[in-house]
Amino acid sequence: KAGVTQTPRYLIKTRGQQVTLSCSPISGHRSVSWYQQTPGQGLQFLFEYFSETQRNKGNFPGRFSGRQFSNSRSEMNVSTLELGDSALYLCASSYRDRETQYFGPGTRLLVL
Amino acid sequence: EDQVTQSPEALRLQEGESSSLNCSYTVSGLRGLFWYRQDPGKGPEFLFTLYSAGEEKEKERLKATLTKKESFLHITAPKPEDSATYLCAVQAGYSGGGADGLTFGKGTHLIIQP
Repeated sequence: KAGVTQTPRYLIKTRGQQVTLSCSPISGHRSVSWYQQTPGQGLQFLFEYFSETQRNKGNFPGRFSGRQFSNSRSEMNVSTLELGDSALYLCASSYRDRETQYFGPGTRLLVL
Repeated sequence: EDQVTQSPEALRLQEGESSSLNCSYTVSGLRGLFWYRQDPGKGPEFLFTLYSAGEEKEKERLKATLTKKESFLHITAPKPEDSATYLCAVQAGYSGGGADGLTFGKGTHLIIQP
């Protein structure tokens, strides 16, 4: 069974721009969660989607948003990028919201 | 607020030298405790899920245990390929049946020298 895939793998943007990241979950998984990983803060929860509905949200500003499609694929968007948004963005999928989460390889975002 | 503290931050062992990694946690209503392994530049790789105190799980040279306040990841006779960052995470459960996102510790950077 194919794992979680994320595109693109690397991105370079400048301050003020916006970016959209994509995640395809493991086949059959309906829950998709997004995390931000930085050297200083570690892995932090952004939000979780289940059946196209946002179920949980972490402590991040409204510039961070996401959505889920009917095929369970998910996108996250960051508007008005700041230097501090440079990070590895990880997507994880699970069958349901209380099951083990399996992570993708991540998208490395660099904001200049 | 859920909290996870991992110790030590870094650990260097000789090949074959067994040791344990610690994960202390505070969470309201533990739904599950998870161990992941992360190699540089890659996403976390799932290792174990523990649900209740007293539970133990094993996989090759790794064994995870859980108490009401902490979890241990025991590594027996490690090999250089076990070198990685080991992450511990907890998930809180809601009374209505839902669950929160994972709260991660900062990880233990493990180096196994040949």
